[in-house]
Amino acid sequence: GQQVMQIPQYQHVQEGEDFTTYCNSSTTLSNIQWYKQRPGGHPVFLIQLVKSGEVKKQKRLTFQFGEAKKNSSLHITATQTTDVGTYFCAGRDSGGGADGLTFGKGTHLIIQP
Amino acid sequence: KAGVTQTPRYLIKTRGQQVTLSCSPISGHRSVSWYQQTPGQGLQFLFEYFSETQRNKGNFPGRFSGRQFSNSRSEMNVSTLELGDSALYLCASSPQAGWVTDTQYFGPGTRLTVL
Repeated sequence: GQQVMQIPQYQHVQEGEDFTTYCNSSTTLSNIQWYKQRPGGHPVFLIQLVKSGEVKKQKRLTFQFGEAKKNSSLHITATQTTDVGTYFCAGRDSGGGADGLTFGKGTHLIIQP
Repeated sequence: KAGVTQTPRYLIKTRGQQVTLSCSPISGHRSVSWYQQTPGQGLQFLFEYFSETQRNKGNFPGRFSGRQFSNSRSEMNVSTLELGDSALYLCASSPQAGWVTDTQYFGPGTRLTVL
């Protein structure tokens, strides 16, 4: 079945440093989504990318979808303590999505003040 | 609009018992998906329902089942509970079927502990 790998598993940064998490799928995706989960909370939708090579920005967050629609990245500029949490990518196979929405295991962002 | 609600929020069961979890989607949303979240395996897809029909099913044993009602509310059932079923069970709703728009709005989850 479809697999979505996400790296790194953990990332420690100093407040103000940048942060990037990467997502790679074993199959071509119809779309990629990103979610954030705060400690003790539930995943919250951030964005969806659909087009090959698409780049979207939300304030300090930049999301990219690869040309082959098999990889994606989330970059946070100048991290703040409010960015703490786990960032998940999720994708559906472009062949019909029989596996449902597949989530990466997430990157835990830890920020040291 | 009210968000996705899940009941109960916490549940403690013993091995061999069965459990039913409930999910009420955001008003107007017709698609409901269920996920199991554990520290080791992360978020794993269980099933997806749209208009009372199961559209997709994840790689879980037959002890895990679900259904969706005409008002889009959904339930999932786990029979013959095992220790490994201890997890946070998340329900997510979406306005349409997953292959049309995939944005998932998650509920707070039900924390199931199996002793």
